[in-house]
Amino acid sequence: EAQVTQNPRYLITVTGKKLTVTCSQNMNHEYMSWYRQDPGLGLRQIYYSMNVEVTDKGDVPEGYKVSRKEKRNFPLILESPSPNQTSLYFCASSSAHPPYEQYFGPGTRLTVT
Amino acid sequence: GQNIDQPTEMTATEGAIVQINCTYQTSGFNGLFWYQQHAGEAPTFLSYNVLDGLEEKGRFSSFLSRSKGYSYLLLKELQMKDSASYLCAVRSISGGYNKLIFGAGTRLAVHP
Repeated sequence: EAQVTQNPRYLITVTGKKLTVTCSQNMNHEYMSWYRQDPGLGLRQIYYSMNVEVTDKGDVPEGYKVSRKEKRNFPLILESPSPNQTSLYFCASSSAHPPYEQYFGPGTRLTVT
Repeated sequence: GQNIDQPTEMTATEGAIVQINCTYQTSGFNGLFWYQQHAGEAPTFLSYNVLDGLEEKGRFSSFLSRSKGYSYLLLKELQMKDSASYLCAVRSISGGYNKLIFGAGTRLAVHP
């Protein structure tokens, strides 16, 4: 089954404690992205990757890091989480060819206290 | 700049037809998507338009006018399970990358 998986699904942590949210896709997609979703703001792109070892900033990259060492994995790293990073996070992948449909992971609800 | 506008909320009656509009301003336009998102869940793909006109897929249709920067999603024979948020997203070419920009979404409530 084609899917994007994320872990953990829910996380409550404290300010400053480093965390990683994993993302994996089994569709051999070139493109992968991380989004955060906040009420009234919609989905905002944090980082994206066009292929292995190729990553770039999206609209809201501050406080986040990513890596793409393998095609299937695209982890999101919060080196020093702060309360303003409390949000719902989605990983997504898509093919580099039309129609470029994005497949989303189930989401990770993060609370930073 | 890049901007996508869609109504915040809409209500409709089961069995009826509803049209959700989306207007956009973007450079390097390369297609428009509609996604459905139920509360607390991931968005799921509904439609993709890159050329002007109407794309029909079952009860759902999507229309695009590139010259007007306008799209709509038409939902027919509404069912209670259609209560969800509908996200308009524009694909634009930026720095060689096809970037996807989302609107804030339209929350649709279907009532009996």
